[in-house]
Amino acid sequence: EIVMTQSPATLSVSPGERATLSCRASQSVISNLAWYQQKPGQAPRLLIYGASTRATGIPARFSGSGSGTEFTLTISSLQSEDFAVYYCQQYNNWPPLTFGGGTKVEIK
Amino acid sequence: EVQLVESGGVVVQPGGSLRLSCAASGFTFDDSAMHWVRQPPGKGLEWVSLISWDGTSTYYADSVKGRFTVSRDNSKNSLYLQMNSLRAEDTALYYCAKGEQWVDHWGQGTLVTVSS
Repeated sequence: EIVMTQSPATLSVSPGERATLSCRASQSVISNLAWYQQKPGQAPRLLIYGASTRATGIPARFSGSGSGTEFTLTISSLQSEDFAVYYCQQYNNWPPLTFGGGTKVEIK
Repeated sequence: EVQLVESGGVVVQPGGSLRLSCAASGFTFDDSAMHWVRQPPGKGLEWVSLISWDGTSTYYADSVKGRFTVSRDNSKNSLYLQMNSLRAEDTALYYCAKGEQWVDHWGQGTLVTVSS
């Protein structure tokens, strides 16, 4: 099973600042990685798939990068609606599909 | 608009059984693989199961293999999860989700609580 590790667990950022979230895989997942956003009381929402392709309707301030075992989700200028928990998920080697433990982006 | 509506979540005793349902609309259901993903209260996401578009292929997390069974009825645009031998650690919000390998749409979830 591929283990996904996200860091940091919590990221404190001021509105308008850049946020950089990391996701590491225990072995290469090539570019078979997705990112999701989850706000309190809501279902997750797909942000990125293929490591860097934005899903339909996702603003350009969200960008994904990386390949192999190291991935990054960058939010270029945080808006109030971006404060949430973010999860990465690999789909290169499955079952099982595996998620990271999440990074909570909170207001500084 | 894609809609996924789960139902069937209740409080059940350890060792009990439960069947979750998911009603799908707004897309071609019989073209789509479907997942169940769960989230224990206050915790992260855990993938549970995947079923192919035609139901011929099914996959499970080790934590539920042999106890849970995923199925679908394409004539009813519905997805199911039969859960047997339930344990306290199965307590979670269960999401029905659409996608091949990543999830592009999620339902709002149905809460399963396993407790005596």
